[in-house]
Amino acid sequence: EVQLVESGGGLVQPGGSLRLSCAASGFTFSSYWMHWVRQAPGKGLVWVSRITSDGSSTSYADSVKGRFTISRDNAKNTLYLQMNSLRAEDTAVYYCAGGTPAYFDYWGQGTLVTVSS
Amino acid sequence: QSALTQPRSVSGSPGQSVTISCTGTSSDVGGYNYVSWYQQHPGKAPKLMIYDVSERPSGVPDRFSGSKSGNTASLTISGLQVEDEADYYCCSYAGRYTLVFGGGTKLTVL
Repeated sequence: EVQLVESGGGLVQPGGSLRLSCAASGFTFSSYWMHWVRQAPGKGLVWVSRITSDGSSTSYADSVKGRFTISRDNAKNTLYLQMNSLRAEDTAVYYCAGGTPAYFDYWGQGTLVTVSS
Repeated sequence: QSALTQPRSVSGSPGQSVTISCTGTSSDVGGYNYVSWYQQHPGKAPKLMIYDVSERPSGVPDRFSGSKSGNTASLTISGLQVEDEADYYCCSYAGRYTLVFGGGTKLTVL
């Protein structure tokens, strides 16, 4: 059974940092491009970032470029998102998703990040 | 990276068909055959329903179909069932290895 389990969310002050993790199992993690997608409370889905299967290339949405860093450890079947200089508008449920450059086959259940003083 | 345009809501009765549109530009929807659709029930993770404009993953009922014309993609659900009531999101490749979602459409099955 495919599983993606996010962790690391929580309450952080504006300007603070947080590192999200996503543990994968049930599929060949190292063969999949991985993404982070977020959803603010009551709002729609927003693509945040992606990383190639071997970790050699990354892309970001303009709203997080320069503040967030996506990475992966294929030996540990784990995806990461380092989030710095957090803002109130970064408050959302963050989903990790596995797939291709163009779509998402597998989704985790999400982890909530709240940026507030 | 502007969001794709979807109707906020659509509705239909059981057994009917509904179509949800997703309008972008020549830089995303119109430029690539990489449109996907996701179903999301309240409090749940999204689920892939359609990829590459019209392909259906295994396990997705053939009541769900996708198409594209110009800068507008569409998801059609035929033979509506109560369990189809959910939010639906389109997503398109937007070049430079970026992706963009639509704002989402709430489907109500009356």
